Order: sequence, then structure tokens, then C-alpha cells
Amino acid sequence: GDSVTQMEGPVTLSEEAFLTINCTYTATGYPSLFWYVQYPGEGLQLLLKATKADDKGSNKGFEATYRKETTSFHLEKGSVQVSDSAVYFCALSGRNRDDKIIFGKGTRLHILP
Amino acid sequence: EAQVTQNPRYLITVTGKKLTVTCSQNMNHEYMSWYRQDPGLGLRQIYYSMNVEVTDKGDVPEGYKVSRKEKRNFPLILESPSPNQTSLYFCASSSTGDYGYTFGSGTRLTVV
Repeated sequence: GDSVTQMEGPVTLSEEAFLTINCTYTATGYPSLFWYVQYPGEGLQLLLKATKADDKGSNKGFEATYRKETTSFHLEKGSVQVSDSAVYFCALSGRNRDDKIIFGKGTRLHILP
Repeated sequence: EAQVTQNPRYLITVTGKKLTVTCSQNMNHEYMSWYRQDPGLGLRQIYYSMNVEVTDKGDVPEGYKVSRKEKRNFPLILESPSPNQTSLYFCASSSTGDYGYTFGSGTRLTVV
């Protein structure tokens, strides 16, 4: 079945460092891909999405490009801030009737001042 | 404000005492879902509903019930809670999968 694999954390970086969180997926057909962010004590928020190959999703300085040839959707940010500390989830949604979203296990990010 | 509202935020209960966690959305979304989040296991889907009176099992439905009598509400019912249902629960809704989900703030449940 469909699945999402993302790099295990925690990931610890200094402020202003470059961030990459890897995400690869297995799916039949052409899923939509998402990154969600969970700040401490809160629910998940949609960070960005891409619905077809080569689409780039972007928000709050974060970017991810839908790469069908490598089945990847890596999250990047050029200069992280302490406020980016959170758990990040990669997810996919198949184009089937139940609209089910499948999540990766999450990557905890710590940014040091 | 568009949102998904869960109540309560925190709940401590005893084994076997029936409880309900409410979920309500104000976005007229057809699709609603319940997840539980556990360390090392990520988010696992419990039940989902594609519309009123239509519900189906997710990956971990055992010990849970749901109902969808109205479009806006999707309560999660634990008829006889057990300690292994101690977890952080999230309700989510969506108009279609392509737009992503809107999540509630979560309910932290402890069963002793």
C-alpha cells in the first residue's frame, strides 16, 4: 500500500542554517503531497502542498518540489529561525474515493539560538 | 474563523468509563477523520467519514466508535476505555484531499 518515509530526528541546527528534511513516498497513481507542521502543544497545520509532478509548494520560507522520478518531496529552508522549532510531517493523499491522508512518522526540529 | 473544535483538550478517566470526545467544524467539509498520535508511531487513522451517515474504519478502529448524524459534527466514542488508549487524539476535516486537512488542537486522553 501507499506509504511515506521521512528522515528520523531529532534534527538540531543553529539559527540561520540551511535545512533539509528528506521525504520519499510509495504510491500508486499520482498522489498529492503535503508538509504539515506541529508546534508544541498544538495540532497539525498545513505548511505547503503540491498536487502534480514538478510542482513546487512554498510557504513561510519553506519549499518542497514534487519529484516523481525520485518519488521524493524534500522540505528545505534557506535560513531557519528558533521559531521554526517544531515537528514536521510529510504526507500524501491518493486520488481515491476515501481521500485518506497517509503521514510519515514526523521529524522533530530543534533550532539553537 | 474557519476551524475544527475539539473538546475537551485534556481528559483523565478510569478504565471502563464511557467517554465521548466531540469534534465540530464550521467549513461545511464533507470529509472528517480521527487520528491518534503516539511517540514513535506517528499519526494513525482511527475512523473517517466521507459524508453524513457514511463512516468507515481506518487503521486502528478497535475500541472506538464514531457517528456522523450532522455534517459539522463527528464525535469519537470510547465505550470502555483501556490504558492502551492513552494518547493524543486529533480530529481533522477536508473538502477534498488535494486541499489538505484542517486539524483540531487535540485532546490528550489519559486512561488509568
